[in-house]
Amino acid sequence: GQQLNQSPQSMFIQEGEDVSMNCTSSSIFNTWLWYKQDPGEGPVLLIALYKAGELTSNGRLTAQFGITRKDSFLNISASIPSDVGIYFCAGQLVSPQGGSEKLVFGKGTKLTVNP
Amino acid sequence: NAGVTQTPKFQVLKTGQSMTLQCAQDMNHEYMSWYRQDPGMGLRLIHYSVGAGITDQGEVPNGYNVSRSTTEDFPLRLLSAAPSQTSVYFCASSYSGGGNEQFFGPGTRLTVL
Repeated sequence: GQQLNQSPQSMFIQEGEDVSMNCTSSSIFNTWLWYKQDPGEGPVLLIALYKAGELTSNGRLTAQFGITRKDSFLNISASIPSDVGIYFCAGQLVSPQGGSEKLVFGKGTKLTVNP
Repeated sequence: NAGVTQTPKFQVLKTGQSMTLQCAQDMNHEYMSWYRQDPGMGLRLIHYSVGAGITDQGEVPNGYNVSRSTTEDFPLRLLSAAPSQTSVYFCASSYSGGGNEQFFGPGTRLTVL
């Protein structure tokens, strides 16, 4: 199946530091989504990107849809303890036949923030 | 709105037993899907539905059945549980299409002994 390579797998940072994570693929995507999952909960959408080159912010979070449509990154500025969790990228593949395609998820980046 | 609800929250089965994981949404979403989450594997799509009466297979469909008789409900059936199906299962829904914002339920943690 299609694969998204998400990195890093885990991060251990100090409160106040900035964080960067990314997803890459050999496939072209229509949409990039970034989710956060807290322990024992389902993933919650953070940012959605729909156009190549698009740069979108949501508070301290910034994400970009790569110009080649094969990658995306998520930055978190000035991290705080509640940023702890697992962050997932997800991409919707281009469908030659048109119509909606399934989402493909990366394997996640586990973020630990030390106070 | 309750959003996406899943029951049960936890379940332990013996190998060979059958059970149904329930999923319901009250947002009138057309698209619903089931994922399983295993450590280090991210979320993998099991089955999905683009509307009542329409279902299709995802990445890992073997051992699971689904049906979609109403817009609101999308149950996942395990006909003969195996230890390899030990996982956390998430149901999700979106207004239309898999690429739109998907709202996830709280998950069902299943252990098969």
